[in-house]
Amino acid sequence: AQSVAQPEDQVNVAEGNPLTVKCTYSVSGNPYLFWYVQYPNRGLQFLLKYITGDNLVKGSYGFEAEFNKSQTSFHLKKPSALVSDSALYFCAVRDMGYGQNFVFGPGTRLSVLP
Amino acid sequence: EPEVTQTPSHQVTQMGQEVILRCVPISNHLYFYWYRQILGQKVEFLVSFYNNEISEKSEIFDDQFSVERPDGSNFTLKIRSTKLEDSAMYFCASSERWGTPEAFFGQGTRLTVV
Repeated sequence: AQSVAQPEDQVNVAEGNPLTVKCTYSVSGNPYLFWYVQYPNRGLQFLLKYITGDNLVKGSYGFEAEFNKSQTSFHLKKPSALVSDSALYFCAVRDMGYGQNFVFGPGTRLSVLP
Repeated sequence: EPEVTQTPSHQVTQMGQEVILRCVPISNHLYFYWYRQILGQKVEFLVSFYNNEISEKSEIFDDQFSVERPDGSNFTLKIRSTKLEDSAMYFCASSERWGTPEAFFGQGTRLTVV
């Protein structure tokens, strides 16, 4: 079965500092990996995805994520955090050999302090 | 940019009443989903729909739930007799075709059962 773990419920970072939001996954086949962001009372906004190819993927708003197959991780990063990045971040996986649905992690709340 | 739209944004209903949540997927998409997020918890898969039938469903999607594509544009989730624990944010999503890794999510409908 597929599963996604986000080991930190909350990440606090000062504005201007780099940020990392961690994600590890477990799938039976080849994973498709995603990051979504949710602002208060809003829907899920797509940030970036890894399908194949370069392990470092770049997405919206200056975010990037690195796929590490040996560590089964897909950590989200940004070189310089903004206060407006404060939101709930979800990692998700699709194992296209297993099923079509997304499996989401529990979410990590990012707070960027001015 | 095309987007998935959901109506209403917020619905309040009395326990035991039927509710229908509406979604308009992106027009050329063929694969549709419903997910839910109980407040403060992770996003959970409910059901996927392809070629006018359910392709996958979770254990959450019991006999109280049904989905329908009544016409060429709408995709609906019906809860026959709502319970307090059905209170959640419900997200609709769509994918272009079978095997497309990316899905686009709507803004969600917040359902409150009182």
